[in-house]
Amino acid sequence: GAVVSQHPSRVICKSGTSVKIECRSLDFQATTMFWYRQFPKKSLMLMATSNEGSKATYEQGVEKDKFLINHASLTLSTLTVTSAHPEDSSFYICSGIEGGGAGKPQHFGDGTRLSIL
Amino acid sequence: KNEVEQSPQNLTAQEGEFITINCSYSVGISALHWLQQHPGGGIVSLFMLSSGKKKHGRLIATINIQEKHSSLHITASHPRDSAVYICAGPPGSQGNLIFGKGTKLSVKP
Repeated sequence: GAVVSQHPSRVICKSGTSVKIECRSLDFQATTMFWYRQFPKKSLMLMATSNEGSKATYEQGVEKDKFLINHASLTLSTLTVTSAHPEDSSFYICSGIEGGGAGKPQHFGDGTRLSIL
Repeated sequence: KNEVEQSPQNLTAQEGEFITINCSYSVGISALHWLQQHPGGGIVSLFMLSSGKKKHGRLIATINIQEKHSSLHITASHPRDSAVYICAGPPGSQGNLIFGKGTKLSVKP
């Protein structure tokens, strides 16, 4: 099946550091990538939707200057958490769709556990 | 109220038991996803269905669009089935998902 490679799987860093998370679709072209966040014992929540070659659409309450998303190619999307603080500690996971639209299967990365000290 | 509700939240079973996890949703969705999340966090897509029933190995998923209800069944459960099972649906046309809170399944040997 389709594979999304997400790196790194775990990051521990100091407050104020910027952290970049990469998601690569290995065997399909991810026209659309979704970035989700999951706090402990909570549901996954959509942060932003990115379409290749255009600006990401952020959900209400998600700061676009804090969470920079780049989707410059059909196989790579990145999420950069800028000047991370302890409250940004969470599990971040991406998923990709080939061709876009609600009727397509989603392919998830393995997630990144971010811990800010 | 969450737009996607799952029950039960936690489920402990003995190896070999038949498992049922239920999902009800209040939004209009075009297709419902069943996902499996392992302790490390990684998510595997099990099923995407918009009508009827799908089967893959020991897993069966059913959906009733009129009643906005779906079930995931596991036959002959095994300890390796222990995971969090999540149902999710795309509320719009973009394809992004809204998720249930998950059902944590523990299968004891």
